[in-house]
Amino acid sequence: EDQVTQSPEALRLQEGESSSLNCSYTVSGLRGLFWYRQDPGKGPEFLFTLYSAGEEKEKERLKATLTKKESFLHITAPKPEDSATYLCAVEVIGTASKLTFGTGTRLQVTL
Amino acid sequence: DVKVTQSSRYLVKRTGEKVFLECVQDMDHENMFWYRQDPGLGLRLIYFSYDVKMKEKGDIPEGYSVSREKKERFSLILESASTNQTSMYLCASSSLAGAGETQYFGPGTRLLVL
Repeated sequence: EDQVTQSPEALRLQEGESSSLNCSYTVSGLRGLFWYRQDPGKGPEFLFTLYSAGEEKEKERLKATLTKKESFLHITAPKPEDSATYLCAVEVIGTASKLTFGTGTRLQVTL
Repeated sequence: DVKVTQSSRYLVKRTGEKVFLECVQDMDHENMFWYRQDPGLGLRLIYFSYDVKMKEKGDIPEGYSVSREKKERFSLILESASTNQTSMYLCASSSLAGAGETQYFGPGTRLLVL
């Protein structure tokens, strides 16, 4: 069974304190791994797609990386506006565009 | 910019009522999806559709049905709402252009069934 596990469940950082969120996956064949940001009461907002091990993508203070077993979302010098829940999802080969989601990491960045 | 809209942000219904949730996308996407999101369980796929009048069951279809009469519109129907269907409902769409296409989400509908 395809599984996606995110850790930690919750993370509290001070402004400027860099850290990483983890997404580990067990799938039969990976077509793509997606990162989303979700603010309270809103729909997920797309951040990145990674397709193969070794791939990296960056956007402002966020950098996503991918290995054969996991992905990391690195947050460099976070600001309070980075506070949100970060969701990881995988598309598995042969599942026709369906995504399997992890339960997310709730990030709080304080002053 | 991709835009996915959902008919209501908040809904309160009574047990046994028939409930319609509507989703519209403006990017001519072939794929459309309905999820529900519950604390600790993440997003779970209810139904999806690859084309007009086509539908496929997701992981938790029981108690739900869907309708896709036009390419841009995908409706989720709760035939007889129950309290365990209280949840956040999210619609998404994606292109069928290739593998690993991004799903874009609407703002969500928070449904409370009393």
